[in-house]
Amino acid sequence: DQQVKQNSPSLSVQEGRISILNCDYTNSMFDYFLWYKKYPAEGPTFLISISSIKDKNEDGRFTVFLNKSAKHLSLHIVPSQPGDSAVYFCAASAPFQGGSEKLVFGKGTKLTVNP
Amino acid sequence: DSGVTQTPKHLITATGQRVTLRCSPRSGDLSVYWYQQSLDQGLQFLIQYYNGEERAKGNILERFSAQQFPDLHSELNLSSLELGDSALYFCASSTGHPSNTEAFFGQGTRLTVV
Repeated sequence: DQQVKQNSPSLSVQEGRISILNCDYTNSMFDYFLWYKKYPAEGPTFLISISSIKDKNEDGRFTVFLNKSAKHLSLHIVPSQPGDSAVYFCAASAPFQGGSEKLVFGKGTKLTVNP
Repeated sequence: DSGVTQTPKHLITATGQRVTLRCSPRSGDLSVYWYQQSLDQGLQFLIQYYNGEERAKGNILERFSAQQFPDLHSELNLSSLELGDSALYFCASSTGHPSNTEAFFGQGTRLTVV
């Protein structure tokens, strides 16, 4: 039962262009969403998050959009840089569901930014 | 550096054996999570501890167990190992406050079962 889905296993973009990574979720109890970036041989690194009370959060080149009615979120990277090449994981949590704050992750999207 | 330390970084062992993975959370973090990442799979949640007590359980096999000690470090015990247990095991920690669920990950332990 995949509660968080990243349907694109990979994405390739040119340097300087926009990268858009998508994520869908099924559990309506999720109210906090996060994006993590992972380089090979390293642990995931927190990138940006958004609460369900917002529809947009921006941090530098990274913007996360949340569409609650569609149960969809996306991460925009503008402009994309070769150093952004990594696997991006979408995660969701339901902090008040039974006292658990566990994060549920998607399978990841491998982003390649070509110079 | 996330502040989360996992040891060992690499582990090679034989089928049927038992291993222990160790995790030291960030200073001040009360919550510890364990995740498994197998080939072509996302991060599968195994178990969470908060201040020494089990808080949530995910897809953790009965052959696996974990605990969090009074000093808040955690151990994940994997027994009767099978080839399919080969994976990256990540530990993460967070403050545990409901309003802040950002978790910080260690570099992982790569377990190879031969």
